[in-house]
Amino acid sequence: QKEVEQNSGPLSVPEGAIASLNCTYSDRVSQSFFWYRQYSGKSPELIMSIYSNGDKEDGRFTAQLNKASQYVSLLIRDSQPSDSATYLCAVNTGFQKLVFGTGTRLLVSP
Amino acid sequence: EAQVTQNPRYLITVTGKKLTVTCSQNMNHEYMSWYRQDPGLGLRQIYYSMNVEATDKGDVPEGYKVSRKEKRNFPLILESPSPNQTSLYFCASSLLYSGANVLTFGAGSRLTVL
Repeated sequence: QKEVEQNSGPLSVPEGAIASLNCTYSDRVSQSFFWYRQYSGKSPELIMSIYSNGDKEDGRFTAQLNKASQYVSLLIRDSQPSDSATYLCAVNTGFQKLVFGTGTRLLVSP
Repeated sequence: EAQVTQNPRYLITVTGKKLTVTCSQNMNHEYMSWYRQDPGLGLRQIYYSMNVEATDKGDVPEGYKVSRKEKRNFPLILESPSPNQTSLYFCASSLLYSGANVLTFGAGSRLTVL
């Protein structure tokens, strides 16, 4: 079983809709969770972090964490074509180690 | 501008010809790491360093070497490249207190080994 799993997509949503991206992880002791965004041909950039159960909102982005279910999600409200990218879920498994999922490709159509 | 600089950005080489990909950061970050990114496999860590003269293996270290003689530089060395090392390589750095989570990535180096 992979440590961090994501559906590769593509996830297609119309402009203005809510995009929901999901991630599961296998290591129960993981404490820190992150979402990185990677535009095509570019390097990843951090967009959200979450450390405790519940929701964390930052502008149009909401990260959700459920440690009991080992589940992290990212919601993008009012999706824009500029949100089209690959979203990488990353989990800190301890010892300064960040493990990345394979990413979900999001396509937002005008 | 705070950044991680990698060179070369693109390289085509042949099997067995030693090469070095340089990485330099200007943010005084203690933590530096190399990743390779392959379709369907995502980002996988090759090596990391928590400070000068402190390096350790990541998940896929075979065929690679690194060194950390200065805080700002973390070169990746392929002593005898093979075609299975054809990949997109990213260098990244972070402040250690962030738990190596808040990574700043370089622009990437696309390597093709024939």
